[in-house]
Amino acid sequence: GENVEQHPSTLSVQEGDSAVIKCTYSDSASNYFPWYKQELGKRPQLIIDIRSNVGEKKDQRIAVTLNKTAKHFSLHITETQPEDSAVYFCAASINGNQFYFGTGTSLTVIP
Amino acid sequence: SAVISQKPSRDICQRGTSLTIQCQVDSQVTMMFWYRQQPGQSLTLIATANQGSEATYESGFVIDKFPISRPNLTFSTLTVSNMSPEDSSIYLCSVVLLAGAADTQYFGPGTRLTVL
Repeated sequence: GENVEQHPSTLSVQEGDSAVIKCTYSDSASNYFPWYKQELGKRPQLIIDIRSNVGEKKDQRIAVTLNKTAKHFSLHITETQPEDSAVYFCAASINGNQFYFGTGTSLTVIP
Repeated sequence: SAVISQKPSRDICQRGTSLTIQCQVDSQVTMMFWYRQQPGQSLTLIATANQGSEATYESGFVIDKFPISRPNLTFSTLTVSNMSPEDSSIYLCSVVLLAGAADTQYFGPGTRLTVL
């Protein structure tokens, strides 16, 4: 099955700086790559996603890039704020059938 | 979007007993999944709950331990059988909604299970 690796496991940045989280996947058939934010004690929430037919997608301070050849995708958060502090998970899916998650990145934004 | 509810929200159970978790969605969905999330860990897919047929289990999970029902397109149950302390975890159901060309996954609030 699909294997998704995520780095780093923890990340601390100063408020206003950028944060980058990277994921790799193993199954070249994966074509949908969502990112989730999970705050302590809450359910994961989708924050952005990208499909294999595009290389980059942006939504305000959040962007995701995809390199299909290298089988990796990244989450970029600019102008970080303390409320961005959470655990972030990447995932990979084939046509929305089964989602395989990365190991998570605990992001801390220091005011 | 989808509104998903789970019951119970949490439970404390004795070793050797079983617990059934319910998942209710406010709309009909084709894809419904069950995940386990142990403290500080990622989400691990247990199985895909298939309406009208047996669930599809991921490697490491078996039907005898985690029987799943999916009687219709809005409801599913996951049973954690013959529990041991290692089963202590948060169990989440999720659904995938197809909106145009997009497949968006939504999660239930989770069931926090503690096995003594």
